[in-house]
Amino acid sequence: DAGITQSPRHKVTETGTPVTLRCHQTENHRYMYWYRQDPGHGLRLIHYSYGVKDTDKGEVSDGYSVSRSKTEDFLLTLESATSSQTSVYFCAIRAAINQPQHFGDGTRLSIL
Amino acid sequence: AQKVTQAQTEISVVEKEDVTLDCVYETRDTTYYLFWYKQPPSGELVFLIRRNSFDEQNEISGRYSWNFQKSTSSFNFTITASQVVDSAVYFCALSEALGNYGQNFVFGPGTRLSVLP
Repeated sequence: DAGITQSPRHKVTETGTPVTLRCHQTENHRYMYWYRQDPGHGLRLIHYSYGVKDTDKGEVSDGYSVSRSKTEDFLLTLESATSSQTSVYFCAIRAAINQPQHFGDGTRLSIL
Repeated sequence: AQKVTQAQTEISVVEKEDVTLDCVYETRDTTYYLFWYKQPPSGELVFLIRRNSFDEQNEISGRYSWNFQKSTSSFNFTITASQVVDSAVYFCALSEALGNYGQNFVFGPGTRLSVLP
């Protein structure tokens, strides 16, 4: 299995609080991704990274920011969480564009 | 723009039946890559197979087989003699090569397969 760890695995928090999700890889892969998965919407890309300090927006980036200061870590931050951000969040890594993405186990985030 | 369509939202079969999951894609690129993923009820996303656009050979892995046809822009997935453990949501995905800084990776909406005992 690809060495990807997401933390925390579960989190419950209140509206308006900041939340940071962490994705850690041991594969030294160049590309990293954050997705959210909601019923009826499949997997939607939030942000992605193509190198250290190189990040860009996906299709549902509003309300989210990311940082990648080291190859192995990709952080997703919800500056002020809203109930609409309740979701399952997946991190993925990828070695090259002709290679598949490999996913972490997901983080279930509930915002009350 | 690239796009992946999985027209079958949900499929139910009885154990030991064969089942085919359809995937149709759109791309303007001549070099691209196709993938299938499985998401069982436990929630993890598992990579199953990758195919390059220049390799149209079908592939078989145990009870799983994949039929890639560029002429119809399809990359269909067949499970032979289905088992209850095959119950999952299956996603088809496409990655283009041209101008790709990692962002060109599109998932289809998924097909939920239920295999009944």
